[in-house]
Amino acid sequence: DQQVKQNSPSLSVQEGRISILNCDYTNSMFDYFLWYKKYPAEGPTFLISISSIKDKNEDGRFTVFLNKSAKHLSLHIVPSQPGDSAVYFCAASSNQAGTALIFGKGTTLSVSS
Amino acid sequence: DAGVIQSPRHEVTEMGQEVTLRCKPISGHNSLFWYRQTMMRGLELLIYFNNNVPIDDSGMPEDRFSAKMPNASFSTLKIQPSEPRDSAVYFCASTPNSGGADTQYFGPGTRLTVL
Repeated sequence: DQQVKQNSPSLSVQEGRISILNCDYTNSMFDYFLWYKKYPAEGPTFLISISSIKDKNEDGRFTVFLNKSAKHLSLHIVPSQPGDSAVYFCAASSNQAGTALIFGKGTTLSVSS
Repeated sequence: DAGVIQSPRHEVTEMGQEVTLRCKPISGHNSLFWYRQTMMRGLELLIYFNNNVPIDDSGMPEDRFSAKMPNASFSTLKIQPSEPRDSAVYFCASTPNSGGADTQYFGPGTRLTVL
């Protein structure tokens, strides 16, 4: 049973527009959430994170929103650029020693110029 | 900083053969993770170590898979015997601390093909 779900396998947007990637989770013990980006033939790299005590975290063009009541988070990229084309993984964990990140299956974002 | 190092980058082997994947975590990191990525299941956690001790191996598919971390700078993931369904990209990652809320640094992965 997947605890972290990314229900959209792919997303296509035009350069300059907003990209919105969604993620849902089922475990109410999760209190820390991360987004990773992965290019082909490379390992995932950390992009942005958010703690459950916040509902928004912004870093340049990237903003993550957290809705705890809905157990939902989203990653907004604005404006989208062709270099943002990659697979985006949502991950979650509980802030306890000895726990690991649980990843979603990923969403492939394609940004066309 | 060299980052997480994995070897080999690509491995092609025949069914029934033993496969050993290697990982060198970032120096000073206390936790090490092994993941498998497939189209069907995404990024699955196989096993992770804190201070060289296996903490959770519930993600290891079956007894054919084993992992060791003999010291803080080296880990192996072994598959014996290998099967075609083991074909996937295997990633190793490390973190500085033992807590869950910690950014993981991934290696480039090993693409395994079992014929």
